[in-house]
Amino acid sequence: GNSVTQMEGPVTLSEEAFLTINCTYTATGYPSLFWYVQYPGEGLQLLLKATKADDKGSNKGFEATYRKETTSFHLEKGSVQVSDSAVYFCALSVGSGNTGKLIFGQGTTLQVKP
Amino acid sequence: ETGVTQSPTHLIKTRGQQVTLRCSSQSGHNTVSWYQQALGQGPQFIFQYYREEENGRGNFPPRFSGLQFPNYSSELNVNALELDDSALYLCASSLISGANYEQYFGPGTRLTVT
Repeated sequence: GNSVTQMEGPVTLSEEAFLTINCTYTATGYPSLFWYVQYPGEGLQLLLKATKADDKGSNKGFEATYRKETTSFHLEKGSVQVSDSAVYFCALSVGSGNTGKLIFGQGTTLQVKP
Repeated sequence: ETGVTQSPTHLIKTRGQQVTLRCSSQSGHNTVSWYQQALGQGPQFIFQYYREEENGRGNFPPRFSGLQFPNYSSELNVNALELDDSALYLCASSLISGANYEQYFGPGTRLTVT
């Protein structure tokens, strides 16, 4: 079946540190991959996406590369800020017919300290 | 802001009751998906509506049902509420159904079943 596994949290970093949140997936077919971010008390916001192998998604200093050979889509940022503190979800979407449902990992909490 | 709105924001119900949650999709989007997010977990796909028809369903019992209206807004109905139905219910709209199309989430409805 289709599934997403993320690294366990919480991840605690100092401001300006380098961030990596690991994400691996299992999928039949050729999924699209996404990172969503959820701030406390809010819904999910799309952070970035990649739709085919070797694509790199990027937004607001965050990047992730779709690696088919390692079935991974790790999230990285060169210098985190306190405002990046949130829960990050990796997700995949595979179409069955024309249905694109999202399958999420369990989420990784990021805490950035000043 | 994604332009996706949900109502109500919070709701408290008693076990056995019925509840209706509402979602207005982003302008121009014809597809709405519903997700259940239990505390500390990633969202789980409930079902998707595309042009007023159910277009895929996750592993949820029939007491979870929905509707989509001609203006593409949507309702989620849950009958015979159980304690485990307590969760954040998220709706997401997309421009068109399909795995490559990003979904934009509303802020969610927090349902508590006592």
